[in-house]
Amino acid sequence: GQQVMQIPQYQHVQEGEDFTTYCNSSTTLSNIQWYKQRPGGHPVFLIQLVKSGEVKKQKRLTFQFGEAKKNSSLHITATQTTDVGTYFCAAQGSANAGGTSYGKLTFGQGTILTVHP
Amino acid sequence: SAVISQKPSRDICQRGTSLTIQCQVDSQVTMMFWYRQQPGQSLTLIATANQGSEATYESGFVIDKFPISRPNLTFSTLTVSNMSPEDSSIYLCSVKPREDTQYFGPGTRLTVL
Repeated sequence: GQQVMQIPQYQHVQEGEDFTTYCNSSTTLSNIQWYKQRPGGHPVFLIQLVKSGEVKKQKRLTFQFGEAKKNSSLHITATQTTDVGTYFCAAQGSANAGGTSYGKLTFGQGTILTVHP
Repeated sequence: SAVISQKPSRDICQRGTSLTIQCQVDSQVTMMFWYRQQPGQSLTLIATANQGSEATYESGFVIDKFPISRPNLTFSTLTVSNMSPEDSSIYLCSVKPREDTQYFGPGTRLTVL
């Protein structure tokens, strides 16, 4: 089945430093989603990337989808203590792959971000 | 956006028993899923809950262990049957109300002794 590798597993930064997490797939993805899960919480949808080479920004967060649609990254500029949590990428099944795969998400292992004040 | 509630929020159960988890959405959604997140791990899809027909299970998950009901477009249940300590996880309901977004419920934290 589809696999998505995410690195690093852990990242410790000082407040104000930048942070990046990467996702890679051996197969071309139809799209990729990013989620944030605070400690003790549930995954919260951040964004979906669909187009090759797409770049989207949300305040200090920048999301990129690779040209080959096999990799993606999430970059946080000038981290704050509120950014603490686990960031997951998730590849979504394509509607073209058959009705039963649409909407199904294959999650990366997640990157646990800690921010030291 | 879709607001999802789950019951119970947490439970501690004895091995060999069963627990039914409820998922309620505040709007009608076609696509509804059940995920499991084992301690310190990522999320794994258990099944797609289909309204009016049997759920579609992922590899490694079977109906006898995780029976699912989906009586309408706003509600679903997941039962964890004949539980063992290995079933201790967070179980999350998820919906996809639109093409470009997906939401997760708050989760049910299950501990099996």
